[in-house]
Amino acid sequence: NAGVTQTPKFQVLKTGQSMTLQCAQDMNHEYMSWYRQDPGMGLRLIHYSVGAGITDQGEVPNGYNVSRSTTEDFPLRLLSAAPSQTSVYFCASTTLGPGNTIYFGEGSWLTVV
Amino acid sequence: QKEVEQDPGPLSVPEGAIVSLNCTYSNSAFQYFMWYRQYSRKGPELLMYTYSSGNKEDGRFTAQVDKSSKYISLFIRDSQPSDSATYLCAMTERGGTSYGKLTFGQGTILTVHP
Repeated sequence: NAGVTQTPKFQVLKTGQSMTLQCAQDMNHEYMSWYRQDPGMGLRLIHYSVGAGITDQGEVPNGYNVSRSTTEDFPLRLLSAAPSQTSVYFCASTTLGPGNTIYFGEGSWLTVV
Repeated sequence: QKEVEQDPGPLSVPEGAIVSLNCTYSNSAFQYFMWYRQYSRKGPELLMYTYSSGNKEDGRFTAQVDKSSKYISLFIRDSQPSDSATYLCAMTERGGTSYGKLTFGQGTILTVHP
């Protein structure tokens, strides 16, 4: 059981480039989300999805785009990368409900130069 | 002001010490409280979950919640070098998609030295 799988693990981008961070889960969870982690800030919610075809914004959505075409996959797109998007990105999934564990991927380290 | 404030540390303790980690929060709608452990270059993993005021114990770990003071704590007894990690408090509101929207503290880096 792989859980939540993120790719790539590390990426360096130039300002203005676009890229997609991939996230896949094999636990049949309806809820998936993306967080970014910055020093001194903890993790902050970027976007989330409650099922295929349904997405919504979190706390820090600007500069990011998401879509959910299948239950398993939830990619995060950076349309025009900026140095402020240098961060560690975590994908998470769960079955919504009190006490249900939210599972995180291992993270994607992104540097924008 | 952040909704959740966590003592940033870092903390460095000798093996066997009792460790206390703390968070305060301002949003009274938070009903569910979690502690995550994050090893270097890894994703957070759930350590403890609780939703009521009082204590919850799991082995060497005790989670404490005081909703009246908006204060949560995690105690680690007989700390081990393998406990060295970043500890993150997190909390959610009740209902629907709120169960999936974690609000995190800043994290405390803990080092337990032999």
